[in-house]
Amino acid sequence: DSGVTQTPKHLITATGQRVTLRCSPRSGDLSVYWYQQSLDQGLQFLIQYYNGEERAKGNILERFSAQQFPDLHSELNLSSLELGDSALYFCASSVTGTENSPLHFGNGTRLTVT
Amino acid sequence: AQSVTQLDSQVPVFEEAPVELRCNYSSSVSVYLFWYVQYPNQGLQLLLKYLSGSTLVKGINGFEAEFNKSQTSFHLRKPSVHISDTAEYFCAVSDPSGTYKYIFGTGTRLKVLA
Repeated sequence: DSGVTQTPKHLITATGQRVTLRCSPRSGDLSVYWYQQSLDQGLQFLIQYYNGEERAKGNILERFSAQQFPDLHSELNLSSLELGDSALYFCASSVTGTENSPLHFGNGTRLTVT
Repeated sequence: AQSVTQLDSQVPVFEEAPVELRCNYSSSVSVYLFWYVQYPNQGLQLLLKYLSGSTLVKGINGFEAEFNKSQTSFHLRKPSVHISDTAEYFCAVSDPSGTYKYIFGTGTRLKVLA
């Protein structure tokens, strides 16, 4: 058990809808990362937060947004969903958010857009 | 742009045989290197990491990896695999200067045969 909790585990929704994925980092970890894993694109970095502030941005679409709250949990909001957004979304956390700090991953949220 | 290449998408190997999973990265500067393992329906778990120092790094579950700067490689090895090692293995690179965050390879699926 990595200590990173993601909810829900599965999400099925229709195109055009909006969903929110939630992540609670490991106790003591200040940084949260979001990744998208799909069969054709592998593991893609979306965005990173450190202690409530955005630290780095990857290949995140404008339809997607995220934030990290004062209690350090994070939410990833996906809107105007398209079929291609179907994927496994992982949250990971690390202590310092620096490049040498290993990531601890949750078990992911599997999003299916129909 | 920085990239990580895992040449083998699938590696079948018999139980108790040795295995090497290959990882090459493209960078002319210092990097941090990681190997993660993903078991079915789970998130990624850290196997080992290279930050600096000895080029031979030992990780969990009997795995080790060797950093080769001249060949920009970080191959993962295990002298004798078990059925329980069947999983997907990801190589990742991170830039100490903070230019980019963790970049993951596309993964190698290790299948251990009885």
